[in-house]
Amino acid sequence: AQTVTQSQPEMSVQEAETVTLSCTYDTSESDYYLFWYKQPPSRQMILVIRQEAYKQQNATENRFSVNFQKAAKSFSLKISDSQLGDAAMYFCAYRMYSGGGADGLTFGKGTHLIIQP
Amino acid sequence: NAGVTQTPKFRVLKTGQSMTLLCAQDMNHEYMYWYRQDPGMGLRLIHYSVGEGTTAKGEVPDGYNVSRLKKQNFLLGLESAAPSQTSVYFCASSRLAGPTDTQYFGPGTRLTVL
Repeated sequence: AQTVTQSQPEMSVQEAETVTLSCTYDTSESDYYLFWYKQPPSRQMILVIRQEAYKQQNATENRFSVNFQKAAKSFSLKISDSQLGDAAMYFCAYRMYSGGGADGLTFGKGTHLIIQP
Repeated sequence: NAGVTQTPKFRVLKTGQSMTLLCAQDMNHEYMYWYRQDPGMGLRLIHYSVGEGTTAKGEVPDGYNVSRLKKQNFLLGLESAAPSQTSVYFCASSRLAGPTDTQYFGPGTRLTVL
């Protein structure tokens, strides 16, 4: 079974600074997808960024980027120019590529990100 | 376009009572999922559906039943609620596609079983 580990229960960063959230995963599959979801106090799960394992290029979405190291099974999220609205729980998630999209996501336990004004 | 909606938002049950949570999506997605989130944990998959009339078990299916009678709706039932089922329940849906199978989540239902 796949597992996802987020070793940082909580991180704190000054507004406008850069922060990196760590995620490692364990799988024997070669094709899979990795995601970072944000969960603010409203509880809504919001997709931040997605990475396909077959792509060597790291995904980027505005201020959010990932460092995907397939051999090390590492998938960290970098948030640049942190803003107060970035404060939330961040979950790393894994999905195996089954061809039919039927598999659910496997989530880590989350990292609580605090933004200091 | 409402996306994924869940009914109700909050519910309190007594042990042994039954209830049904409703998930609805207006994106014409084939796949739908039910997750639960417990304190200090990520979401865990309960059941999922790959299309109307089909359901399958996820990681933690015990104590729950599901039905997908209409493509846009996915129901999660608790026949005899237990305190261990106190949790926040999330529904999600995804389009029938391969590499871009992003799951879109509803706002969650907070269930307390006394």
